[in-house]
Amino acid sequence: DAGVIQSPRHEVTEMGQEVTLRCKPISGHDYLFWYRQTMMRGLELLIYFNNNVPIDDSGMPEDRFSAKMPNASFSTLKIQPSEPRDSAVYFCASSFLGNRIFGPGTRLTVL
Amino acid sequence: QKEVEQDPGPLSVPEGAIVSLNCTYSNSAFQYFMWYRQYSRKGPELLMYTYSSGNKEDGRFTAQVDKSSKYISLFIRDSQPSDSATYLCAMTTDSWGKLQFGAGTQVVVTP
Repeated sequence: DAGVIQSPRHEVTEMGQEVTLRCKPISGHDYLFWYRQTMMRGLELLIYFNNNVPIDDSGMPEDRFSAKMPNASFSTLKIQPSEPRDSAVYFCASSFLGNRIFGPGTRLTVL
Repeated sequence: QKEVEQDPGPLSVPEGAIVSLNCTYSNSAFQYFMWYRQYSRKGPELLMYTYSSGNKEDGRFTAQVDKSSKYISLFIRDSQPSDSATYLCAMTTDSWGKLQFGAGTQVVVTP
C-alpha cells in the first residue's frame, strides 16, 4: 500500500484565493482525520470522519474552512477565502482499529 | 492551561545515551497513550501505544504511564543519530476519536 496520499505537497497562494487540499486514505481504513500543524499551536485536529460521515468538526477554525468525504477513498479540505494566518502544514491521517497513519502533509503558504 | 504539557526542547544528547521524554496531562479520563516520532518535513509516525497504566517495551524504546500522577514517559536506550526527530505524546479517552497532542520535543543525537 502506498500509504496516505496528499496533494499538492506544497501550495503557495495569495490572500483571498480558494485553496483545496486533497487526501486519499489507506484502503480499508474507516476513519479519516484532518490536522493542521504550526509552530505556535502544534498539531490540531480540524475534523474527522467515520465511514465518510463527519463526526466532529469542532476544530474547524472558521466558516472559511470546509471538508468533504464523498467516498471512502477521497477527501478534500477547502479554505475560501484564504488568509495569511492559514499558513501551516495540513496533514491527513486515516485509521483502522485506532492506529492513525499520517500522510506526508501539504505545506500551505498564503501571501 | 493546556490539556497536555510537553517541553519543546531541544534536547541534545550524545550518541549512546539514554533519551528521556515526558508529558503531563490534566484530563483523568485519558485511557490511551501514544508516542509519535516526526522527522523534519514528514508526517508523524506511531512509535508506541499503551492502554492505561504500566510499562511497554519495544526494542530500544520503553513507554511508561502513571495515571495516578497523570504523567507519561518515553525512554530511548542506546540513542542513535537516526533518532534525531521531534517526539510527540498523544492521548485520548477512546481509541477511535480525538487525539490530544503535546507540543512535541525536539531531540538531537550527536555522533
